[in-house]
Amino acid sequence: RKEVEQDPGPFNVPEGATVAFNCTYSNSASQSFFWYRQDCRKEPKLLMSVYSSGNEDGRFTAQLNRASQYISLLIRDSKLSDSATYLCVVNQAGTALIFGKGTTLSVSS
Amino acid sequence: GAVVSQHPSWVICKSGTSVKIECRSLDFQATTMFWYRQFPKQSLMLMATSNEGSKATYEQGVEKDKFLINHASLTLSTLTVTSAHPEDSSFYICSARAVPGLNTEAFFGQGTRLTVV
Repeated sequence: RKEVEQDPGPFNVPEGATVAFNCTYSNSASQSFFWYRQDCRKEPKLLMSVYSSGNEDGRFTAQLNRASQYISLLIRDSKLSDSATYLCVVNQAGTALIFGKGTTLSVSS
Repeated sequence: GAVVSQHPSWVICKSGTSVKIECRSLDFQATTMFWYRQFPKQSLMLMATSNEGSKATYEQGVEKDKFLINHASLTLSTLTVTSAHPEDSSFYICSARAVPGLNTEAFFGQGTRLTVV
């Protein structure tokens, strides 16, 4: 079983749509959680951290359920510029970031 | 924000030759850097953890004699792909944290696209 699993995608949505991505992780010792965004042939960039209480940054909302080992990302009012691959990432103490395979989002006009 | 610079951004080499990739932290010191590899449509896979002044820690399945890592200073780690073969063609990317800690942002180099012909 992979350490971090994500929806396979791709997600093709029109502008203005709301889209949700899900992610599960296998290691209960994971201590911190993130969503990164990766554009084609580029390095990943931090989108947002994910906290147990849930957190929001503009059109983006992240949720964490430690009991279910489940992480989500909600994007509201999708923009063309949101088209990218979204990576679910977890971190355990003293280790590197562990990445999911990523979910590709394509927003069209 | 903190910047990690990786060089070269792309390289084409002949099978059997060696390629060195550099990763520098430009405005912070990094005692630990991480090297990842990403094949098309796959996730970033951790190859090794580079520790300043000591041996790198390799992930299972990664050959330490093929992927040589040197972390000679607090701002520079290098990955050398020795005797490269076409199956080594991939996107290699390094990462470091400016501030140690679980919840701090990890910064990535721009990545190196290696093609072995």
